[in-house]
Amino acid sequence: AQSVTQLGSHVSVSEGALVLLRCNYSSSVPPYLFWYVQYPNQGLQLLLKYTTGATLVKGINGFEAEFKKSETSFHLTKPSAHMSDAAEYFCAVSDRRGSNYKLTFGKGTLLTVNP
Amino acid sequence: DTEVTQTPKHLVMGMTNKKSLKCEQHMGHRAMYWYKQKAKKPPELMFVYSYEKLSINESVPSRFSPECPNSSLLNLHLHALQPEDSALYLCASSQEGRNIQYFGAGTRLSVL
Repeated sequence: AQSVTQLGSHVSVSEGALVLLRCNYSSSVPPYLFWYVQYPNQGLQLLLKYTTGATLVKGINGFEAEFKKSETSFHLTKPSAHMSDAAEYFCAVSDRRGSNYKLTFGKGTLLTVNP
Repeated sequence: DTEVTQTPKHLVMGMTNKKSLKCEQHMGHRAMYWYKQKAKKPPELMFVYSYEKLSINESVPSRFSPECPNSSLLNLHLHALQPEDSALYLCASSQEGRNIQYFGAGTRLSVL
């Protein structure tokens, strides 16, 4: 079964600093990988996805992620953090089950942004 | 429009009550999902419906009963729940055979 591991349950950065959230995957086949964001008391919003093709993926709100097969990683970055980026971030891998796909999430990383 | 609408936003119920959660989407998606999310944990898949038929049941207790009356609507019927069932219940949808899922805002359920 495919899985993802998020390194660091809590990351704290200053406003304007680089954001780096780490995700490693385990998969015997080329994976489909996702980053979702969850703001307090809300559902999940898709930030970006990797399926095939370009290994550098750009998402919404200035986030991007790079798929590195040699390192089995899919880390999420943003050059300059904003206060509004404070949220829980989930890395996920998609596993085909028949004609549908099952998302398996990492444990999540809580991002706090300090003024 | 990538909106999935869930009602109610909050629900408090006793262990002997019967209640239902509702999820609606008008994106033409033919796959719909129920997830359960406990506090400070990731979402966990409960059920998947594909073309209004139950496709995946992740060994969920029978006190949770899903229903998909039509391609736009997904219900989760609740009966005789336990306090440990208190959680955020998330609905999602996707195009059939596609792996991008769009989530609703969830229903926060408290079982007393």
